[in-house]
Amino acid sequence: GAGVSQSPSNKVTEKGKDVELRCDPISGHTALYWYRQSLGQGLEFLIYFQGNSAPDKSGLPSDRFSAERTGGSVSTLTIQRTQQEDSAVYLCASREGGGTDTQYFGPGTRLTVL
Amino acid sequence: AQRVTQPEKLLSVFKGAPVELKCNYSYSGSPELFWYVQYSRQRLQLLLRHISRESIKGFTADLNKGETSFHLKKPFAQEEDSAMYYCALLNFGNEKLTFGTGTRLTIIP
Repeated sequence: GAGVSQSPSNKVTEKGKDVELRCDPISGHTALYWYRQSLGQGLEFLIYFQGNSAPDKSGLPSDRFSAERTGGSVSTLTIQRTQQEDSAVYLCASREGGGTDTQYFGPGTRLTVL
Repeated sequence: AQRVTQPEKLLSVFKGAPVELKCNYSYSGSPELFWYVQYSRQRLQLLLRHISRESIKGFTADLNKGETSFHLKKPFAQEEDSAMYYCALLNFGNEKLTFGTGTRLTIIP
């Protein structure tokens, strides 16, 4: 079946602009995660959704970052007033059941802020 | 706070030689650990998890609570093992998966 998809695959934007990143999880997966992968930094947890609610937003780096999930499916990560340090690959993952279940990752969105 | 440390950013091993990718963790509860792998031009995927005690593609990992380690091992490296490897720790309380910074493994033919 279809895996996790993300769009766009690449996004180049100017400093100060807002961007929206989209994640389509695997159908039926209740949990959805956003991570940021920066050069030399590994994967940084941003936010986790169980259904449409986000019990843990502690990973969001600043109030310029927000995320929502609707219908227990698609999620969008919004970065307002982008800064150069926001440049990274943003990964989405979804999981069917409990915490030890496998997280399936999308291909990522490479964001470049000029 | 939970933390995962992968001390080696880069590791080169000759084909046929043993491989060991190090992972140490810090966590106050009972840990649940994973290894994820990212092959060139592919997405990140699960390699193995501690709870399953499985061997995938010849790789194994044993949890050592005394040394707080979860090293990934393979007795004989193959060229297709070249990839980026991430160790990860699950916090059951908030379902958060904490990743290490990764080790890039290169198998020399």
